[in-house]
Amino acid sequence: QSALTQPPSASGSPGQPVTISCTGTSSDVGGYDYVSWYQQHPGKAPRLMIYEVIKRPSGVPDRFSGSKSGITASLTVSGLQAEDEADYYCCSYAGSGNLVFGGGTRLTVL
Amino acid sequence: QVQLQQSGPGLVKPSQTLSLDCSVSGGSINSGDYYWSWIRQHPGKGLEWIGYIHHSGSTYYNPSLKSRATISIDTSKKQFSLKVTSVTAADTAVYYCARNSGGYDTIDYWGRGALVTVSP
Repeated sequence: QSALTQPPSASGSPGQPVTISCTGTSSDVGGYDYVSWYQQHPGKAPRLMIYEVIKRPSGVPDRFSGSKSGITASLTVSGLQAEDEADYYCCSYAGSGNLVFGGGTRLTVL
Repeated sequence: QVQLQQSGPGLVKPSQTLSLDCSVSGGSINSGDYYWSWIRQHPGKGLEWIGYIHHSGSTYYNPSLKSRATISIDTSKKQFSLKVTSVTAADTAVYYCARNSGGYDTIDYWGRGALVTVSP
């Protein structure tokens, strides 16, 4: 299984929206509604931000949202804040019990 | 609040076996709702799923590790473990233990991570 494809970097100004894409195949992203997103600050463990494509765990700000179309999933931050600057990883179920992560996107708040 | 605490050597020699344990507190390791995962992150790189185990003992592994990885569980100790055999420098990484709940993709609790370096 190959890693999901994410852009290496993304950026936006405070208050602006930004969207990060995650492209897979029909065997992972396109085949299941099991895509999650994780935020990772330097030196810290990842934090679950979105699961099952669109669901948000309690405690995650509602400016974070997820979506999917075909083989591409997306994470949108609707109004960037300084604390959103971090690395973001997507993850998808790939069948037969397997999971696959994306390569990660570094989000910079300008 | 579920907490995951990893333990194990931080330095392993090439060709030897990497062994890590993860202790679970604040929640049940026996619940059928959860799988218990190992995930690693090479220095400066992205996340790589290694595999997971259910309390029943069923396991799933990333095919890329080519059978070098084994995950086991000891419910009496509230602990699950990872072994990776025949390690090389390419196995140097931060290793995380974590909990999968609900859907396959939902990794809701993570340990703090443990750096394991493979070096002579």
